[in-house]
Amino acid sequence: AQKITQTQPGMFVQEKEAVTLDCTYDTSDPSYGLFWYKQPSSGEMIFLIYQGSYDQQNATEGRYSLNFQKARKSANLVISASQLGDSAMYFCAMRERNTGGFKTIFGAGTRLFVKA
Amino acid sequence: DAGVTQSPTHLIKTRGQHVTLRCSPISGHKSVSWYQQVLGQGPQFIFQYYEKEERGRGNFPDRFSARQFPNYSSELNVNALLLGDSALYLCASSLTPAGGQETQYFGPGTRLLVL
Repeated sequence: AQKITQTQPGMFVQEKEAVTLDCTYDTSDPSYGLFWYKQPSSGEMIFLIYQGSYDQQNATEGRYSLNFQKARKSANLVISASQLGDSAMYFCAMRERNTGGFKTIFGAGTRLFVKA
Repeated sequence: DAGVTQSPTHLIKTRGQHVTLRCSPISGHKSVSWYQQVLGQGPQFIFQYYEKEERGRGNFPDRFSARQFPNYSSELNVNALLLGDSALYLCASSLTPAGGQETQYFGPGTRLLVL
């Protein structure tokens, strides 16, 4: 069963506008972490933002915010004031317990195109 | 401070050969995880190591193995290469394998092409 679902293969946004990238997850572990990463064409995964399952407030990091709706099991990324440099692949990921440690499960990603 | 480094950056092998990929974590980080990212997909978890011990394993065949050295660097070995092993192999390091706000930092990856 898919544990991380990103339903938007591609998204377009006008420069300086806000955009929301969707992510839903599925886990039975009460303690988990949710992450968003950006992957430019160079291939490196860049950490953007983290939300813990017990966090009461939505996480924010500069222009990035995470709309965490625990009951709906969704963790959408909101990018405000989009810039041309935001064009990249974006991955939602969930960390959950694995035997002796933890593992991180990634979604299929959303490719964001920012238009000038 | 240096980030996670991986070598080589690119590699071309033929079917049946074996390959060794290397990763050096951020200084002070004791946990290393390996991921395989096939073109057009998200990364898939392969292994996690902490203090030289395997702490997690994804759904990969026994052709894949790894180890971690006393200096916390790590190697990923793949034997009997198949065409389907062509992918970007990412290494990530973190202070510990624990959950919570522990963030993994990724290296630039090794692009492996199997012909």
